[in-house]
Amino acid sequence: QKEVEQDPGPLSVPEGAIVSLNCTYSNSAFQYFMWYRQYSRKGPELLMYTYSSGNKEDGRFTAQVDKSSKYISLFIRDSQPSDSATYLCAMSAKANFNKFYFGSGTKLNVKP
Amino acid sequence: DVKVTQSSRYLVKRTGEKVFLECVQDMDHENMFWYRQDPGLGLRLIYFSYDVKMKEKGDIPEGYSVSREKKERFSLILESASTNQTSMYLCASSPGGTDTQYFGPGTRLTVL
Repeated sequence: QKEVEQDPGPLSVPEGAIVSLNCTYSNSAFQYFMWYRQYSRKGPELLMYTYSSGNKEDGRFTAQVDKSSKYISLFIRDSQPSDSATYLCAMSAKANFNKFYFGSGTKLNVKP
Repeated sequence: DVKVTQSSRYLVKRTGEKVFLECVQDMDHENMFWYRQDPGLGLRLIYFSYDVKMKEKGDIPEGYSVSREKKERFSLILESASTNQTSMYLCASSPGGTDTQYFGPGTRLTVL
């Protein structure tokens, strides 16, 4: 069983839709949770970072962590064609925060 | 802004060649990482370094070595390239004591 599971998609939505991207994990020691956005043929760029449980909002993006269910989500409001990319979740434990566990990524396509 | 640069965007090499991939970061970060990214497998850690001349093996170090002679520079070496090392190679860096990693643009290596 992988440490982090993420649906690869692709997920196709119309412009303006609310997008929900999710990851599940098995290690209850994870406390740091990240979302990266990766455009085609580019490196991942850090989008959101949350520590422990709760929500964090940044513009059109909201990251949500539910540690009791071992489930994290990224919501994108008013999605734009420029949001079309692969979204990777990543997480690490406090004891070894340099060791990241990545999901395999969800490919999102926002249609104009 | 954190800047992580990689020496080549695209590289084509022959089986058996020695290959050097170089990564430079300009933010005085303690930690540097090398990953490879393959479809369906996500990002896998090859090696990381937490200080000059210090290195630790990641999940898939076989067939690779690294060098960190200066704080800003981290090199990945394929001693004898093989076709199964065809992949996207991503370098990342992070400040010491924190958990966010910043990625370079990647090097797409093809071994023929």
